[in-house]
Amino acid sequence: DAGITQSPRHKVTETGTPVTLRCHQTENHRYMYWYRQDPGHGLRLIHYSYGVKDTDKGEVSDGYSVSRSKTEDFLLTLESATSSQTSVYFCAIRGLGGSGNTIYFGEGSWLTVV
Amino acid sequence: GNSVTQMEGPVTLSEEAFLTINCTYTATGYPSLFWYVQYPGEGLQLLLKATKADDKGSNKGFEATYRKETTSFHLEKGSVQVSDSAVYFCALSDDNAGNMLTFGGGTRLMVKP
Repeated sequence: DAGITQSPRHKVTETGTPVTLRCHQTENHRYMYWYRQDPGHGLRLIHYSYGVKDTDKGEVSDGYSVSRSKTEDFLLTLESATSSQTSVYFCAIRGLGGSGNTIYFGEGSWLTVV
Repeated sequence: GNSVTQMEGPVTLSEEAFLTINCTYTATGYPSLFWYVQYPGEGLQLLLKATKADDKGSNKGFEATYRKETTSFHLEKGSVQVSDSAVYFCALSDDNAGNMLTFGGGTRLMVKP
């Protein structure tokens, strides 16, 4: 258990509305990531953070923004949700110490945009 | 850039059969390699990993060997169980890129009693 909590776990929203997903961790991990999972694509990186207020884009960042105002929380925002953003979103953290090259995942947030 | 290719599924086996899921990769540096497993409705769990050539990762009866010469990291298990039914993802991590993971597309395994 890497101490990652995602919220909400399930959400249905309408096209054009803003949505924010929250990732909370309790073990002072520096690196945090947001991935989306879609059939046939595996997981693809949206954004990542390497410290408070330090973020960068991943492979599929268009339509998403992130914020990290404190170590324990990494927020993913869809400014204006579209149906193509219907997906499962996973937060992840980079392990500490001897597990520093290993990524651990949260349980996922299922988002449906109708 | 980095990429991971794994065999498409679903793979359907009978209980106690031998399992192989193929995974090959391309990478610019010297990546670490991982297998993750995802059970229905759950997140990804690390199954095993290998950090350098010829390393063997193992866990819960699963094994995979880091083969640099063939750029492969095939997942094997000698005798599968119904409880092994899940989706398996091969992935690599590049130390030069913040340890971000590059994933294969996933292979669904179905084990029948």
